Amino acid sequence: EVQLVESGGGLVQPGGSLRLSCATSAFIFNNYNMGWVRQAPGKGLEWISYISSGSVALFYADSVKGRFTISRDNAKNSLYLQMNSLRAEDTAVYYCARWDPGSHCFDFWGQGTLVTVAS
Amino acid sequence: EIVLTQSPGTLSLSPGERATLSCRASQSVSSSDLAWYQQKPGQAPRLLMFGASSRAAGIPDRFSGSGSGTDFTLTISRLEPEDFAVYYCQQYGSSQFTFGPGTKVDIK
Repeated sequence: EVQLVESGGGLVQPGGSLRLSCATSAFIFNNYNMGWVRQAPGKGLEWISYISSGSVALFYADSVKGRFTISRDNAKNSLYLQMNSLRAEDTAVYYCARWDPGSHCFDFWGQGTLVTVAS
Repeated sequence: EIVLTQSPGTLSLSPGERATLSCRASQSVSSSDLAWYQQKPGQAPRLLMFGASSRAAGIPDRFSGSGSGTDFTLTISRLEPEDFAVYYCQQYGSSQFTFGPGTKVDIK
């Protein structure tokens, strides 16, 4: 069974940094592109970043460009999101998701990790 | 950037009724790049439909999708109690991924 498990969330002060991780299993990680999607409390889904299988293509939403960095370690079957210069509006549940190249959609999602930016 | 608009914002229906959810794009979207997700409270989103009209694995056939260009529709033929949730459309294009604001289907 495909699994994605996020970790690394927590409470951080404005201007601070946090690194999220997503551990994956039961699929060939280095064959798939991956993404991060977030959801602020009571709000809808917002895509924030995407990385190709070989880390050649990196895409970011304008809301996080220049502050967040997506990366992956194919040897560890893991995805990461380095978040710097955090703002109150970055408070959200952060989901990692697998991008299926055949169906052009996020076909599997983790359960999410909560990031709270507050003083 | 393509903007997705979903309507209605909330749909109040009874079990057994038909639900029709709309997703409209600000520019033409390839049908192959349009997906629908279901999200229940406290849960991660779940893929429902891809390619505008193909059901994901394990999705019952009361769910169907249609549309092309800028107008797409998700239809639930007869609502079951477990279908009351929020539904999001999503598109991919030009290195950007966009979600619609969602339609909440709640019990009347």
